[in-house]
Amino acid sequence: NAGVTQTPKFRILKIGQSMTLQCAQDMNHNYMYWYRQDPGMGLKLIYYSVGAGITDKGEVPNGYNVSRSTTEDFPLRLELAAPSQTSVYFCASGPSNIQYFGAGTRLSVL
Amino acid sequence: QKEVEQNSGPLSVPEGAIASLNCTYSDRGSQSFFWYRQYSGKSPELIMFIYSNGDKEDGRFTAQLNKASQYVSLLIRDSQPSDSATYLCAVNEDSSASKIIFGSGTRLSIRP
Repeated sequence: NAGVTQTPKFRILKIGQSMTLQCAQDMNHNYMYWYRQDPGMGLKLIYYSVGAGITDKGEVPNGYNVSRSTTEDFPLRLELAAPSQTSVYFCASGPSNIQYFGAGTRLSVL
Repeated sequence: QKEVEQNSGPLSVPEGAIASLNCTYSDRGSQSFFWYRQYSGKSPELIMFIYSNGDKEDGRFTAQLNKASQYVSLLIRDSQPSDSATYLCAVNEDSSASKIIFGSGTRLSIRP
């Protein structure tokens, strides 16, 4: 049972590059979330989804996009990477608003 | 702007004592309250959730919720060095049961 799988684990981007952070869960959870965590800080909600085809903005959505075409996958897209997007990104899923987190993706934008 | 406030710490507690962690929230209509533990360099893991006023106990952990005063707390009894971590409080926004906002966390250190 893999739980919540995030790929890649680490990535370095140049300013202006684009990338997609992948998140997949095998628990048939309806709820999925993306958070970012800056050093020494709490989690900031970027986007969330309560089911396939439904997404909503969180606290800090600017510079990011998401899609939810299946129950299992919830990719996060960065279109034009900026240094301010250097962070650790966590994906979470849950049968309700109780969340189970993936291991995270550490992203540096230089 | 909805807010979830926690004292950043560090909170230092001797081994075997009770650690008390507090969290206040701004949205009076919030219904769901969570405590997560995060070890350094790791992802958050759920410790407890509470939806009703009062206390909820699970092993050495007790969550306390007071909606009138808009605070939620976590008590850890018989604190162990392995409890040393950052504890994150999370609350749903009034407008959405599914929109979960986190506080900045309290760093707890258990000294032997």
